[in-house]
Amino acid sequence: AQRVTQPEKLLSVFKGAPVELKCNYSYSGSPELFWYVQYSRQRLQLLLRHISRESIKGFTADLNKGETSFHLKKPFAQEEDSAMYYCALSGFGAQKLVFGQGTRLTINP
Amino acid sequence: EAGVAQSPRYKIIEKRQSVAFWCNPISGHATLYWYQQILGQGPKLLIQFQNNGVVDDSQLPKDRFSAERLKGVDSTLKIQPAKLEDSAVYLCASRGLQETQYFGPGTRLLVL
Repeated sequence: AQRVTQPEKLLSVFKGAPVELKCNYSYSGSPELFWYVQYSRQRLQLLLRHISRESIKGFTADLNKGETSFHLKKPFAQEEDSAMYYCALSGFGAQKLVFGQGTRLTINP
Repeated sequence: EAGVAQSPRYKIIEKRQSVAFWCNPISGHATLYWYQQILGQGPKLLIQFQNNGVVDDSQLPKDRFSAERLKGVDSTLKIQPAKLEDSAVYLCASRGLQETQYFGPGTRLLVL
């Protein structure tokens, strides 16, 4: 069964501190992993996907197949990073997304 | 480019009433999705269209939910009759060749 687990519903850190949002998945095959973000009063949007191996807005995420994890990291948090973050997976071709329950990140000044 | 459009943005109905949501995807996007997002949870796929054909509706409660995309562009999602547990945000997304799903603003439904 396909499943995405984000163990933290809420995460609060201070500005300038490192951030790590955890994501674990269950999938029988080679999944594609994504992080989506929803800022206040905005629509859900793609932040990054593992196959592109990019750093977006200072965020990176590495797929660890051994630990079935795809944690999102940023070395120095900024106040504008406060948002709801969703980890998602799909099979080949990114046709169908399965989302985790989300983590609300709050960056304190 | 214009994003995915949805209407209405908010809807309040009583249980056992019917309701319909509308979605206009990004121009040229062949794939269209409807998701249900219950408060405190991530979006859950209800149905996926490829042009005007259904690709996946395995999680659509077909006894009360229906969806169509007759001309392969706009889509409507209907609930009849609504239950209290249908209170949620209904998200529409579309996807072109670049494999990124673009989401609409959602319709927030409250069933009383």
